[in-house]
Amino acid sequence: QKEVEQNSGPLSVPEGAIASLNCTYSDRGSQSFFWYRQYSGKSPELIMSIYSNGDKEDGRFTAQLNKASQYVSLLIRDSQPSDSATYLCAIGQGGSEKLVFGKGTKLTVNP
Amino acid sequence: NAGVTQTPKFRILKIGQSMTLQCTQDMNHNYMYWYRQDPGMGLKLIYYSVGAGITDKGEVPNGYNVSRSTTEDFPLRLELAAPSQTSVYFCASSSRQGAVDQPQHFGDGTRLSIL
Repeated sequence: QKEVEQNSGPLSVPEGAIASLNCTYSDRGSQSFFWYRQYSGKSPELIMSIYSNGDKEDGRFTAQLNKASQYVSLLIRDSQPSDSATYLCAIGQGGSEKLVFGKGTKLTVNP
Repeated sequence: NAGVTQTPKFRILKIGQSMTLQCTQDMNHNYMYWYRQDPGMGLKLIYYSVGAGITDKGEVPNGYNVSRSTTEDFPLRLELAAPSQTSVYFCASSSRQGAVDQPQHFGDGTRLSIL
């Protein structure tokens, strides 16, 4: 069973802090890695894609991929209350048309 | 840009009724998916399609049917609705570059209650 694991949280950080969200996966053949943000009652929204080892930065968001250790993380710098949401990790395993989604980590940013 | 459009947004059904959830995308994506998400839970794949005329079961297909007659449309049919099918339903679409999956784009969802 190919799995994607995330800490369910909740993760609580103060406004302005760095929030760190982690995701591990079991399939070494995984090739594409995505982070989605889902506000309560809304649909998942793509915030980051990463395909190769290393860091990828987009504004306050940084995705980090380490294929050897089979983890992908998302850092949110200068966290804002508007970042409070559930963050879903999703992984494409190459050769499969489906993404495997983690159960999500709920983040709360306290003013 | 419309992206992925789902209708209706909300629906209440009685036990035993049937209905079709509509999903259409305008991004010319080959791949389309139906998920359900129960409160506080993750996404569960119901059915997916890799192109017109091709569909396959996901993790929780029982009680549902799909068809894919065009690239744009991927309706989900509920036959004999049961309370266990009360959920939020999301449709998504994606493409592929070579063998590498691209991200899925989600519709706004259909909130369905079976009473």
